[in-house]
Amino acid sequence: AQTVTQSQPEMSVQEAETVTLSCTYDTSESNYYLFWYKQPPSRQMILVIRQEAYKQQNATENRFSVNFQKAAKSFSLKISDSQLGDTAMYFCAFMIGYALNFGKGTSLLVTP
Amino acid sequence: DAGVTQSPTHLIKTRGQQVTLRCSPKSGHDTVSWYQQALGQGPQFIFQYYEEEERQRGNFPDRFSGHQFPNYSSELNVNALLLGDSALYLCASSLRTQETQYFGPGTRLLVL
Repeated sequence: AQTVTQSQPEMSVQEAETVTLSCTYDTSESNYYLFWYKQPPSRQMILVIRQEAYKQQNATENRFSVNFQKAAKSFSLKISDSQLGDTAMYFCAFMIGYALNFGKGTSLLVTP
Repeated sequence: DAGVTQSPTHLIKTRGQQVTLRCSPKSGHDTVSWYQQALGQGPQFIFQYYEEEERQRGNFPDRFSGHQFPNYSSELNVNALLLGDSALYLCASSLRTQETQYFGPGTRLLVL
């Protein structure tokens, strides 16, 4: 079975600070893609960042970056200079074939 | 650039009834995937349609069926509704040649 584990159900960070969300996954495949999505209270799932498993370089998108450790099957998300608008549920997911496999999510609250 | 749209936004049905949910993909996309998101959980993959055919299916019973039209829009049908079918149903679109899926705002289904 392919699983995704997000061990932090809830996290809180102050505005302008940095926070890291953890994600581990389990698969026997060698070629796959990894994603972080955010889901604000409006419930629209928004792509944050993606990583190809065959690439060693960690992906970066503005204030968002990942730490991808393939051997450890770890894929954490770092949010720098947190903003109030970053408050949302964050889901880690990986894709094998055509299906996204999601974790249960981490609820992130950014406080003033 | 039109994003993924879904209709209706909310729906209330009773057990045993049938429901049809609709999705229009992002402009230029040709592939549609459907996910079920129960309260407090990550989305679960139902199936994906490409070229009007079901290309991959998740672990859902045959009560869940779908269709894709020549204009790439899609429908999700659920027969013999159960209380446990109450969830947010998310549609995502993508290009056949690319892995990234973009989500719509979802349809909230409540089965009484």
